[in-house]
Amino acid sequence: KQEVTQIPAALSVPEGENLVLNCSFTDSAIYNLQWFRQDPGKGLTSLLLIQSSQREQTSGRLNASLDKSSGRSTLYIAASQPGDSATYLCAVSLSYNTDKLIFGTGTRLQVFP
Amino acid sequence: EAGVTQFPSHSVIEKGQTVTLRCDPISGHDNLYWYRRVMGKEIKFLLHFVKESKQDESGMPNNRFLAERTGGTYSTLKVQPAELEDSGVYFCASRLGHYNSPLHFGNGTRLTVT
Repeated sequence: KQEVTQIPAALSVPEGENLVLNCSFTDSAIYNLQWFRQDPGKGLTSLLLIQSSQREQTSGRLNASLDKSSGRSTLYIAASQPGDSATYLCAVSLSYNTDKLIFGTGTRLQVFP
Repeated sequence: EAGVTQFPSHSVIEKGQTVTLRCDPISGHDNLYWYRRVMGKEIKFLLHFVKESKQDESGMPNNRFLAERTGGTYSTLKVQPAELEDSGVYFCASRLGHYNSPLHFGNGTRLTVT
Protein backbone atom coordinates (compact mmCIF):
# COMPACT_ATOMS: atom_id res chain seq x y z
CA LYS A 1 0.00 0.00 0.00
CA GLN A 2 1.38 3.35 -1.08
CA GLU A 3 1.94 5.84 1.72
CA VAL A 4 3.09 9.42 1.30
CA THR A 5 4.80 11.30 4.11
CA GLN A 6 5.72 14.95 4.28
CA ILE A 7 8.30 16.43 6.60
CA PRO A 8 8.20 18.84 8.34
CA ALA A 9 4.53 19.16 9.20
CA ALA A 10 4.99 22.87 9.80
CA LEU A 11 7.71 25.39 9.05
CA SER A 12 8.12 29.04 9.94
CA VAL A 13 10.89 31.05 8.29
CA PRO A 14 11.83 34.70 7.80
CA GLU A 15 11.35 36.27 4.43
CA GLY A 16 14.19 35.74 1.97
CA GLU A 17 15.24 32.29 3.11
CA ASN A 18 15.64 29.42 0.71
CA LEU A 19 13.81 26.37 1.95
CA VAL A 20 13.22 22.72 1.18
CA LEU A 21 10.07 20.71 1.72
CA ASN A 22 10.33 16.94 1.72
CA CYS A 23 8.02 14.24 0.46
CA SER A 24 8.63 10.51 0.64
CA PHE A 25 6.61 7.60 -0.71
CA THR A 26 6.85 3.91 0.08
CA ASP A 27 6.29 2.37 -3.36
CA SER A 28 8.62 3.62 -6.09
CA ALA A 29 6.30 2.40 -8.87
CA ILE A 30 4.67 5.76 -9.48
CA TYR A 31 3.48 7.34 -12.71
CA ASN A 32 3.96 10.93 -11.69
CA LEU A 33 4.26 13.17 -8.64
CA GLN A 34 2.63 16.53 -8.17
CA TRP A 35 3.13 19.38 -5.74
CA PHE A 36 0.11 21.45 -4.81
CA ARG A 37 -0.43 24.59 -2.80
CA GLN A 38 -3.49 25.17 -0.64
CA ASP A 39 -4.41 28.52 0.85
CA PRO A 40 -6.80 28.59 3.84
CA GLY A 41 -10.38 27.97 2.77
CA LYS A 42 -9.36 27.47 -0.83
CA GLY A 43 -8.87 24.56 -3.16
CA LEU A 44 -5.60 23.08 -4.27
CA THR A 45 -3.49 24.74 -6.93
CA SER A 46 -1.16 22.56 -8.98
CA LEU A 47 2.40 23.89 -8.80
CA LEU A 48 4.57 21.32 -10.50
CA LEU A 49 4.07 17.89 -12.02
CA ILE A 50 7.03 15.54 -12.49
CA GLN A 51 6.63 12.48 -14.64
CA SER A 52 8.32 9.31 -13.41
CA SER A 53 10.90 9.56 -16.20
CA GLN A 54 11.91 13.09 -15.17
CA ARG A 55 14.29 14.22 -12.45
CA GLU A 56 13.05 17.73 -11.86
CA GLN A 57 10.72 20.52 -12.88
CA THR A 58 11.08 24.24 -12.38
CA SER A 59 8.62 27.10 -12.30
CA GLY A 60 9.85 30.51 -11.28
CA ARG A 61 11.26 30.32 -7.76
CA LEU A 62 10.08 26.73 -7.35
CA ASN A 63 12.07 23.64 -8.18
CA ALA A 64 10.85 20.10 -7.57
CA SER A 65 13.10 17.08 -7.81
CA LEU A 66 12.20 13.41 -7.95
CA ASP A 67 14.31 10.41 -6.98
CA LYS A 68 11.98 7.56 -7.75
CA SER A 69 14.33 4.79 -6.70
CA SER A 70 14.69 6.19 -3.20
CA GLY A 71 11.04 7.24 -2.98
CA ARG A 72 11.72 10.92 -2.40
CA SER A 73 10.84 14.30 -3.79
CA THR A 74 11.81 17.75 -2.63
CA LEU A 75 10.26 21.13 -3.31
CA TYR A 76 12.79 23.92 -3.19
CA ILE A 77 11.51 27.48 -2.74
CA ALA A 78 14.05 30.20 -3.41
CA ALA A 79 13.96 33.60 -1.75
CA SER A 80 10.77 32.93 0.16
CA GLN A 81 8.13 35.66 0.46
CA PRO A 82 5.18 36.16 2.83
CA GLY A 83 2.89 35.35 -0.10
CA ASP A 84 4.35 31.85 -0.14
CA SER A 85 2.64 31.13 3.17
CA ALA A 86 0.28 28.19 2.55
CA THR A 87 0.05 24.43 2.95
CA TYR A 88 2.09 22.47 0.43
CA LEU A 89 0.95 18.98 -0.52
CA CYS A 90 2.59 16.32 -2.59
CA ALA A 91 0.66 13.54 -4.27
CA VAL A 92 1.60 10.53 -6.35
CA SER A 93 -0.25 8.84 -9.16
CA LEU A 94 0.22 5.11 -9.24
CA SER A 95 -0.13 4.19 -12.89
CA TYR A 96 -0.92 5.58 -16.29
CA ASN A 97 -4.46 4.26 -16.32
CA THR A 98 -5.64 5.48 -12.96
CA ASP A 99 -6.22 8.95 -11.74
CA LYS A 100 -6.27 8.16 -8.06
CA LEU A 101 -3.83 10.50 -6.33
CA ILE A 102 -2.32 9.49 -3.00
CA PHE A 103 -1.72 12.61 -0.94
CA GLY A 104 0.64 13.39 1.89
CA THR A 105 -0.65 15.30 4.93
CA GLY A 106 1.12 18.46 3.85
CA THR A 107 3.60 20.98 5.18
CA ARG A 108 2.16 24.20 6.57
CA LEU A 109 4.55 27.02 5.69
CA GLN A 110 4.60 30.46 7.21
CA VAL A 111 6.96 33.11 5.88
CA PHE A 112 7.12 36.16 8.09
CA PRO A 113 8.37 39.61 7.08
CA GLU B 1 -12.48 30.79 -17.81
CA ALA B 2 -14.49 29.94 -14.71
CA GLY B 3 -12.86 27.50 -12.34
CA VAL B 4 -14.32 24.47 -10.63
CA THR B 5 -17.31 25.60 -8.57
CA GLN B 6 -18.62 23.82 -5.52
CA PHE B 7 -21.64 24.56 -3.37
CA PRO B 8 -22.54 24.94 -0.73
CA SER B 9 -19.25 26.15 0.71
CA HIS B 10 -20.38 25.05 4.16
CA SER B 11 -23.06 22.68 5.38
CA VAL B 12 -24.03 21.81 8.93
CA ILE B 13 -26.47 18.95 9.35
CA GLU B 14 -27.53 16.57 12.07
CA LYS B 15 -26.64 12.93 12.15
CA GLY B 16 -29.15 10.95 10.11
CA GLN B 17 -30.00 13.77 7.74
CA THR B 18 -29.25 13.88 4.04
CA VAL B 19 -26.91 16.30 2.31
CA THR B 20 -26.20 16.81 -1.37
CA LEU B 21 -23.02 18.49 -2.54
CA ARG B 22 -22.70 19.88 -6.02
CA CYS B 23 -19.72 20.39 -8.29
CA ASP B 24 -19.57 22.25 -11.59
CA PRO B 25 -16.34 21.39 -13.38
CA ILE B 26 -14.57 23.61 -15.85
CA SER B 27 -16.54 23.61 -19.08
CA GLY B 28 -15.35 20.90 -21.43
CA HIS B 29 -13.52 18.87 -18.79
CA ASP B 30 -14.57 15.27 -19.21
CA ASN B 31 -12.74 14.07 -16.11
CA LEU B 32 -14.29 14.88 -12.74
CA TYR B 33 -13.09 13.71 -9.34
CA TRP B 34 -14.26 13.79 -5.78
CA TYR B 35 -11.79 13.81 -2.88
CA ARG B 36 -12.27 14.45 0.80
CA ARG B 37 -10.22 15.37 3.81
CA VAL B 38 -11.51 14.27 7.19
CA MET B 39 -10.34 15.28 10.66
CA GLY B 40 -6.88 16.60 9.71
CA LYS B 41 -5.92 13.48 7.82
CA GLU B 42 -4.64 13.35 4.28
CA ILE B 43 -6.86 14.08 1.30
CA LYS B 44 -8.29 10.85 -0.04
CA PHE B 45 -9.72 9.89 -3.39
CA LEU B 46 -13.40 9.04 -3.58
CA LEU B 47 -14.21 8.55 -7.24
CA HIS B 48 -13.57 9.53 -10.83
CA PHE B 49 -16.04 10.22 -13.63
CA VAL B 50 -15.26 10.28 -17.31
CA LYS B 51 -18.16 12.18 -18.76
CA GLU B 52 -21.21 10.54 -17.15
CA SER B 53 -19.55 7.18 -16.44
CA LYS B 54 -17.89 6.15 -13.19
CA GLN B 55 -14.34 5.25 -14.11
CA ASP B 56 -13.18 4.40 -10.61
CA GLU B 57 -15.25 4.47 -7.45
CA SER B 58 -12.89 2.45 -5.30
CA GLY B 59 -12.55 5.24 -2.76
CA MET B 60 -16.22 5.54 -1.87
CA PRO B 61 -16.39 4.64 1.83
CA ASN B 62 -19.76 2.88 1.90
CA ASN B 63 -23.20 2.76 0.32
CA ARG B 64 -24.34 5.87 2.18
CA PHE B 65 -22.49 7.83 -0.47
CA LEU B 66 -23.96 8.23 -3.95
CA ALA B 67 -22.33 10.21 -6.72
CA GLU B 68 -23.93 11.11 -10.02
CA ARG B 69 -22.96 13.10 -13.04
CA THR B 70 -25.98 13.77 -15.16
CA GLY B 71 -25.24 14.32 -18.82
CA GLY B 72 -21.55 14.47 -18.13
CA THR B 73 -21.74 18.03 -16.84
CA TYR B 74 -22.14 18.85 -13.14
CA SER B 75 -21.88 16.21 -10.45
CA THR B 76 -23.60 15.66 -7.13
CA LEU B 77 -22.45 13.72 -4.10
CA LYS B 78 -25.21 12.68 -1.75
CA VAL B 79 -24.65 11.40 1.76
CA GLN B 80 -27.66 9.59 3.20
CA PRO B 81 -27.90 9.18 6.13
CA ALA B 82 -24.98 11.29 7.32
CA GLU B 83 -22.82 10.08 10.21
CA LEU B 84 -20.47 12.01 12.47
CA GLU B 85 -17.39 10.56 10.76
CA ASP B 86 -18.50 12.05 7.44
CA SER B 87 -17.48 15.51 8.65
CA GLY B 88 -14.68 17.00 6.62
CA VAL B 89 -13.94 18.96 3.48
CA TYR B 90 -15.13 17.52 0.19
CA PHE B 91 -13.17 18.62 -2.86
CA CYS B 92 -14.09 18.34 -6.49
CA ALA B 93 -11.53 18.51 -9.27
CA SER B 94 -11.63 18.37 -13.03
CA ARG B 95 -9.18 17.85 -15.85
CA LEU B 96 -9.36 18.16 -19.58
CA GLY B 97 -7.69 15.01 -20.83
CA HIS B 98 -4.24 13.51 -20.56
CA TYR B 99 -3.18 12.09 -17.20
CA ASN B 100 -0.19 14.41 -17.15
CA SER B 101 -2.31 17.55 -17.42
CA PRO B 102 -2.95 19.36 -14.15
CA LEU B 103 -5.98 18.92 -11.97
CA HIS B 104 -8.08 21.97 -11.18
CA PHE B 105 -9.63 21.88 -7.74
CA GLY B 106 -12.66 23.66 -6.37
CA ASN B 107 -12.60 25.41 -3.01
CA GLY B 108 -14.33 22.51 -1.34
CA THR B 109 -17.48 22.04 0.74
CA ARG B 110 -16.94 21.91 4.48
CA LEU B 111 -19.42 19.42 5.90
CA THR B 112 -20.12 19.27 9.61
CA VAL B 113 -22.32 16.52 10.96
CA THR B 114 -23.48 17.09 14.56
